Amino acid sequence: EIVLTQSPATLSLSPGERATLSCRASQSVSSYLAWYQHRPGQGPRLLIYETSKRATDIPARFTGSGSGTDFTLTISSLEPEDFAVYYCQQRSNWPPFTFGPGTKVEIK
Amino acid sequence: QVQLAESGGGVVQPGGSLRLSCTASGITFSSHGFHWVRQAPGKGLEWVAFIQYDGSNKYYVDSVKGRFTISRDNSKKTLYLQMNYLRAEDTAVYFCAKDGPLVATIYGVFEYWGLGTVVTVSS
Repeated sequence: EIVLTQSPATLSLSPGERATLSCRASQSVSSYLAWYQHRPGQGPRLLIYETSKRATDIPARFTGSGSGTDFTLTISSLEPEDFAVYYCQQRSNWPPFTFGPGTKVEIK
Repeated sequence: QVQLAESGGGVVQPGGSLRLSCTASGITFSSHGFHWVRQAPGKGLEWVAFIQYDGSNKYYVDSVKGRFTISRDNSKKTLYLQMNYLRAEDTAVYFCAKDGPLVATIYGVFEYWGLGTVVTVSS
């Protein structure tokens, strides 16, 4: 089973600042990595798939990069609605599909 | 727009059973695979099960094999999760999610999600 780790666990930033979230895989997942945003009381929302492809209606301030075992989600300028928990997920080696433990982006 | 709505959650005793449902709108239900994903209290997301568009292939996380069964009724545009022999560790919010965004036998990305239904296993 591929294990994903995310850092930092919590990111405290102000609106307008840049957020950089990391995801590391225990073995190569090639480019088969996705990112999700999860706000309290809602279902998660797909942001990025295949490392860098934005899902439908996802704003351009969300950018994914990386390959192999190291990946990054960047939010160029935080909007109020971006404060949430972010998960990475791999589909390279399954079952099971696995998620990282999440990074909480909170208002500083 | 795509909407998924889960139902059927509740409080059940250890060893009991529950059947979750997920109804879909805004998509051609019979053309897509679907997943169940859960989130235990204070924890992250855990994939539970997948069913192919025609029900011919199903996959499960090891911890639910032999206890949970995923199924679908394409005529009713409804996905199910039959949960038997429930344990305290099955307590979670259960989400259904559409596989995508590319149409494939199984793509392995969770394109759209419902709001979830809460399952509590407790005596």
